[in-house]
Amino acid sequence: NAGVTQTPKFQVLKTGQSMTLQCAQDMNHEYMSWYRQDPGMGLRLIHYSVGAGITDQGEVPNGYNVSRSTTEDFPLRLLSAAPSQTSVYFCASSYGGDFAKNIQYFGAGTRLSVL
Amino acid sequence: AQSVTQLDSQVPVFEEAPVELRCNYSSSVSVYLFWYVQYPNQGLQLLLKYLSGSTLVKGINGFEAEFNKSQTSFHLRKPSVHISDTAEYFCAVSDPFSGGYNKLIFGAGTRLAVHP
Repeated sequence: NAGVTQTPKFQVLKTGQSMTLQCAQDMNHEYMSWYRQDPGMGLRLIHYSVGAGITDQGEVPNGYNVSRSTTEDFPLRLLSAAPSQTSVYFCASSYGGDFAKNIQYFGAGTRLSVL
Repeated sequence: AQSVTQLDSQVPVFEEAPVELRCNYSSSVSVYLFWYVQYPNQGLQLLLKYLSGSTLVKGINGFEAEFNKSQTSFHLRKPSVHISDTAEYFCAVSDPFSGGYNKLIFGAGTRLAVHP
């Protein structure tokens, strides 16, 4: 009964380093998304995918790359980390992209600090 | 573009007291509205949603919300809170007619602290 699994839970990076935040779901959901959560700003959509091989930008995509080679996985890549990317990152998935019909399930989050 | 304003960043309340968390959204012809809850060190969980029909929506854990189109509000209420309701609550909106039905816009969140 795993649901949406994010790894790692915590990460500290130096400015300029790269890393990949992993997200996997075992519910056969077509729609997956990445959000960042910053104090006083709620959650903001970074990128999303409506199915394998299809991705699109959200509200704050700069500095992040994504790909979706399988239905299960949706990794988020930081190519050159910056202090402004210090945040808590959440991955979410749903059966479809219409949130009127489909509930989004969230992972527990990855807390990232960039020094 | 849609925006969501949660009017209180923090709401302290005593156990068994009623609570209201306020949410206003920017005007649109039609929107879908949601409340999510985030318990400490966890992801978000859907509490309730408004799509159409009755303006009073009931959710999990005894919460309910009322949609008010004229005031563009979607306030969350619970008649008697428990310690376990301590969490952060997020209001979110999705505009089904702007091509953004698969994008949620979140408010900044309201931290509910229930004291014994």
